Amino acid sequence: DGGITQSPKYLFRKEGQNVTLSCEQNLNHDAMYWYRQDPGQGLRLIYYSQIVNDFQKGDIAEGYSVSREKKESFPLTVTSAQKNPTAFYLCATKRDGAYEQYFGPGTRLTVT
Amino acid sequence: GENVEQHPSTLSVQEGDSAVIKCTYSDSASNYFPWYKQELGKRPQLIIDIRSNVGEKKDQRIAVTLNKTAKHFSLHITETQPEDSAVYFCADADDMRFGAGTRLTVKP
Repeated sequence: DGGITQSPKYLFRKEGQNVTLSCEQNLNHDAMYWYRQDPGQGLRLIYYSQIVNDFQKGDIAEGYSVSREKKESFPLTVTSAQKNPTAFYLCATKRDGAYEQYFGPGTRLTVT
Repeated sequence: GENVEQHPSTLSVQEGDSAVIKCTYSDSASNYFPWYKQELGKRPQLIIDIRSNVGEKKDQRIAVTLNKTAKHFSLHITETQPEDSAVYFCADADDMRFGAGTRLTVKP
């Protein structure tokens, strides 16, 4: 888990602004994931990428965008089209052929 | 889409008692079911997992059982301790779907 960094830990934005959340890993894992967690709820998948330059939508991709230009990095942009962006965002990685996902420390985004 | 249902949403036990959390899943093709423990404001941590080729797995005070026919799996924590207090999540990792979580409180 120490090989996954998310920055910043807390992020505050005004409504209508786009914001990009960072996720970097040095585990050499192929797959990377973005989840959203709301209070009292489980994790919901936003986007995932199994290989560089390729990514797929998860269950709640509307209002979000991602890129995967490098194996180490999978940034998530929360656009102004996302109606309720305030949440805890978790990035995860997985080694190709393995089962276990490893989570980053998360970024708590507050939009007012 | 496929869902993972988790029960109960909250669970309070006395120290030393056992705790059981149950999950059901929809996708009969799924094969890997992890359980995570999440403390307040922290990342989920994998505590135990089970694959479809076994019916039970145990690690000290924690065990997981899987019934593929019924499509449900359960987490069992024995001899609970106050430090077990946290939110626990089950997941169908093949479908990348999580249960809503169970807040476990262990009273000293």
